[in-house]
Amino acid sequence: GAVVSQHPSRVICKSGTSVKIECRSLDFQATTMFWYRQFPKQSLMLMATSNEGSKATYEQGVEKDKFLINHASLTLSTLTVTSAHPEDSSFYICSARAGGGSYNEQFFGPGTRLTVL
Amino acid sequence: AQSVSQHNHHVILSEAASLELGCNYSYGGTVNLFWYVQYPGQHLQLLLKYFSGDPLVKGIKGFEAEFIKSKFSFNLRKPSVQWSDTAEYFCAVINQGGKLIFGQGTELSVKP
Repeated sequence: GAVVSQHPSRVICKSGTSVKIECRSLDFQATTMFWYRQFPKQSLMLMATSNEGSKATYEQGVEKDKFLINHASLTLSTLTVTSAHPEDSSFYICSARAGGGSYNEQFFGPGTRLTVL
Repeated sequence: AQSVSQHNHHVILSEAASLELGCNYSYGGTVNLFWYVQYPGQHLQLLLKYFSGDPLVKGIKGFEAEFIKSKFSFNLRKPSVQWSDTAEYFCAVINQGGKLIFGQGTELSVKP
């Protein structure tokens, strides 16, 4: 199956700093990438959808100025958590989908554990 | 808005026991349903999916799920679980906007 990587796998930062998380599709071109947030013992919540070359679409309640998403190429999307605070600590997961059809399979990355002190 | 509900938060079974994890969805129209598994420390993997056709769907690793439209359900089953099936299981549906909506997840612990 298709492989999606995330980097870093875990990051610890001080409050007020910005953190960038990369999501890469390794063996296919991802027209669309998704960013999810997962709290302990809870489900994955979709944060935003990014299409290569266009602005990301954010879900209701997600601050676009705080969670900056860039989908610069068909294999790379980045999520930058700006001015991170302890409440931003979470598990961030990306997924990538080849092709434009909504029903094409999404392939998930291993996730990034963010801890803000 | 579409939603997905998984009834069991944590299920504990002994090896060789049969498994059934419940999943109900809210939307009454055409649905596309998925079960994903997340093994400890690993990424989400697709177990099986239902788009149309035979409501009994067979997936990887001996898992199957049955789509029952009248009950708005898509329960996951396995006749005999193994210790290696210990994982978190997520039911999901694609909503009208083409986005995956996940259930709360069910943690399965299989005792050897």
